[in-house]
This record gives sequence, C-alpha cells and structure tokens, in this order.
Amino acid sequence: DAGVIQSPRHEVTEMGQEVTLRCKPISGHNSLFWYRQTMMRGLELLIYFNNNVPIDDSGMPEDRFSAKMPNASFSTLKIQPSEPRDSAVYFCASSLRATGGGEAFFGQGTRLTVV
Amino acid sequence: QQPVQSPQAVILREGEDAVINCSSSKALYSVHWYRQKHGEAPVFLMILLKGGEQKGHEKISASFNEKKQQSSLYLTASQLSYSGTYFCGTGLGGATNKLIFGTGTLLAVQP
Repeated sequence: DAGVIQSPRHEVTEMGQEVTLRCKPISGHNSLFWYRQTMMRGLELLIYFNNNVPIDDSGMPEDRFSAKMPNASFSTLKIQPSEPRDSAVYFCASSLRATGGGEAFFGQGTRLTVV
Repeated sequence: QQPVQSPQAVILREGEDAVINCSSSKALYSVHWYRQKHGEAPVFLMILLKGGEQKGHEKISASFNEKKQQSSLYLTASQLSYSGTYFCGTGLGGATNKLIFGTGTLLAVQP
C-alpha cells in the first residue's frame, strides 16, 4: 500500500487566494483526520471523519476553512480566502476506527505558505 | 483539552535513558505515542488501552495510569536514531475516536 497520499507537497499562494489540499487515505481505513502543525501550536486537530461523515469540526479555526469527504478514498481541505497566519504544515491521517482510536497513519503533509 | 508533555526538550548522550511524561485534564481511554523526525510525518510507536499496562517497542516502553490521567514514555539506552519530537495522543473513548496530540517533546541524542 502506498500509504496516505497528500497533494500538493508544497503550496505557495498569495493572501486572499483559495487553497485546496487533497488527501487519499489508506484503502480500507474508515477514519480520516486533518491536522495543522505550527511551531507555536503544535499538532492541532482540525476535523475528523468516520465513514465519510464529519464527526467533529470544532478545531476548524474559522469559516474560511472547510473540509469534505465525498467518498472513502478522497478528502479535501479548503481555505478561502487564505491569510498569512494560515501558513503551516497540514497533515492528513487515516486509521481503522476502533474504540479509543486505532493507529493513525500520516501522509507526508502539505507545507502551505501564504504571502 | 490538549495534553501537556514534559519536559519540552531533552538532550542525551548515546546510551543514556530518558522519560517523557504526558498529562491530561480529561479522563482518558487510550494513549498513543508517536515520533516525528524533522521534516517528516509523525510515525506511530504504540498505543495503550488499559490502566497500568506497559507496552514496548524496541528499547522504548510506556505506561498508562488511568486514575492520574497520565502516561510516560521510557527510552532506555538511547540511540542516535531516537532523536526527534515525541507526541502523545489521547483518546477519550466511548463513541469517539477523536485523537488529540500533546505539546510535544524534542529529544536530541548526541554521540
């Protein structure tokens, strides 16, 4: 298995532009997590899905952020409009849902820079 | 809600031991430990589901005290390859598999 695949690996965009990050989870996994990592705040959980359904989006910082999972093999995280403070590494992770949580496999991340 | 880890950073010589602690303000069902090397994604080390249970991975083991809502990661006879940032992840159990990560502990092992 290729693992969790994220694209793009790097994204540089101008303030105000729309940014879409993509994630393909491991086949057969039924939980998907989006995390944001910065030096100041560490690894923050933004949103997670079980069986393609958003369960908890309380970590999404603002209405500018939205996430979808139209099917079991694809998810997107969109920022519109983007701001410099959104600059961070965004990780997608997937797991087999289990009580208390199963092992989460992380993608390589998307490094977003908003200028 | 984010668990707190201590210490924030630790520097070791090869062969020395270290302990990393993780503490939560909420009752926990499970604790996960991950290691992240610079510029890479976090990698799973182990998960603990029962209070007091210890698990091991190479020369790395961990304990989980449900009552104290704490977990500790033990690294013995550290190797250069152990360098990285260690994160604990806490699961609240019940119907949720929400996974919240701690503040992280930077570990540097020197020759």
